[in-house]
Amino acid sequence: ETGVTQTPRHLVMGMTNKKSLKCEQHLGHNAMYWYKQSAKKPLELMFVYSLEERVENNSVPSRFSPECPNSSHLFLHLHTLQPEDSALYLCASSQEETGLGYEQYFGPGTRLTVT
Amino acid sequence: AQKVTQAQTEISVVEKEDVTLDCVYETRDTTYYLFWYKQPPSGELVFLIRRNSFDEQNEISGRYSWNFQKSTSSFNFTITASQVVDSAVYFCALSETTGNQFYFGTGTSLTVIP
Repeated sequence: ETGVTQTPRHLVMGMTNKKSLKCEQHLGHNAMYWYKQSAKKPLELMFVYSLEERVENNSVPSRFSPECPNSSHLFLHLHTLQPEDSALYLCASSQEETGLGYEQYFGPGTRLTVT
Repeated sequence: AQKVTQAQTEISVVEKEDVTLDCVYETRDTTYYLFWYKQPPSGELVFLIRRNSFDEQNEISGRYSWNFQKSTSSFNFTITASQVVDSAVYFCALSETTGNQFYFGTGTSLTVIP
């Protein structure tokens, strides 16, 4: 247990559905992250939040919409996804933003399948 | 170009053998951080180590050791006397102080055969 939980662990959705992924960290960290992990590709950083403000958006399609209501919770809202969006979505947190060199602690991920 | 290169995609060793996982990075920053993470089949990435660019001392933690060489831009990871529980995908990562970016390599899948 790393102190970062994610729900659901598995999600199957159609291309017209709307769903949300939830992440919660119990570590008292100030920064949270969403990553996408596809087979045979490096982890892709999608979003970075620091003190609930978005500081990084790596040109992610608008069908992915993050929300960070407080420093402990992070959501990823999904709508009209494509089959190529099927992947493992990982949430992470760190004491501060990445640039300060703090290690990140990861949740177990949500395995998303888009049909 | 890849910021972090892990050239070994898959490695298999027999239990009790030593194994070294290679990591080569690329950055123009003078201050940066390097990490290793382990991802077991359960999926959760587990933090193993962080080094900053000013500390080239090698580190040992139990059966794990890390060799950081700035001259070759490498940060290699050695597991001594491997065990079946070491079977996982291992990721090397780079954090640059400019740009708030965290770069992962593609990972090395290690299988330890009993």
